[in-house]
Amino acid sequence: GENVEQHPSTLSVQEGDSAVIKCTYSDSASNYFPWYKQELGKRPQLIIDIRSNVGEKKDQRIAVTLNKTAKHFSLHITETQPEDSAVYFCALEYGNKLVFGAGTILRVKS
Amino acid sequence: EPEVTQTPSHQVTQMGQEVILRCVPISNHLYFYWYRQILGQKVEFLVSFYNNEISEKSEIFDDQFSVERPDGSNFTLKIRSTKLEDSAMYFCASTGLAGGANTGELFFGEGSRLTVL
Repeated sequence: GENVEQHPSTLSVQEGDSAVIKCTYSDSASNYFPWYKQELGKRPQLIIDIRSNVGEKKDQRIAVTLNKTAKHFSLHITETQPEDSAVYFCALEYGNKLVFGAGTILRVKS
Repeated sequence: EPEVTQTPSHQVTQMGQEVILRCVPISNHLYFYWYRQILGQKVEFLVSFYNNEISEKSEIFDDQFSVERPDGSNFTLKIRSTKLEDSAMYFCASTGLAGGANTGELFFGEGSRLTVL
């Protein structure tokens, strides 16, 4: 099946700095790439997604970029705040399901 | 706002016992899923369900697992004879649009934590 590599596994940033998380994949047929945020003990929640017909999408402090040729997509969080601390999962559509990356623990230090 | 609801929130069971986890997907959704997350690990696909039958299942979803939509609203996951390694958070999810997760957001329930002793 499809595999999604996510890096880094942990990321510590100072409040106000930017954070970037990257995922790579191998199946060129994937066309939908969401990012989920999971706070401790809670459900994953969609924060942003991108489809293959665009290269970048932005929503306030969060942006996602997609390079279909190189088969990678990245999450960018600017002006990080303590409440951004969570586990972030990239995912992609494979068949009729989502396949998730291993997750990145983001810690924002104030 | 409509939500996926799951019960129980936490279940403790003895190894070898049967467990049923229940979910009520969002009412106008068409695709239903079960995912599993072992503590500290990634969210893993178990099974997808569409039009009252399994549309896809993973290697994890062996003969010990089954799913059912008994009454048009509930969507259940049954583990016939639990093993220690079945201990995990089980998330139910649903999506609204025909064609599966690739056309819409996947909505997750709060999860059912299963502890097998």
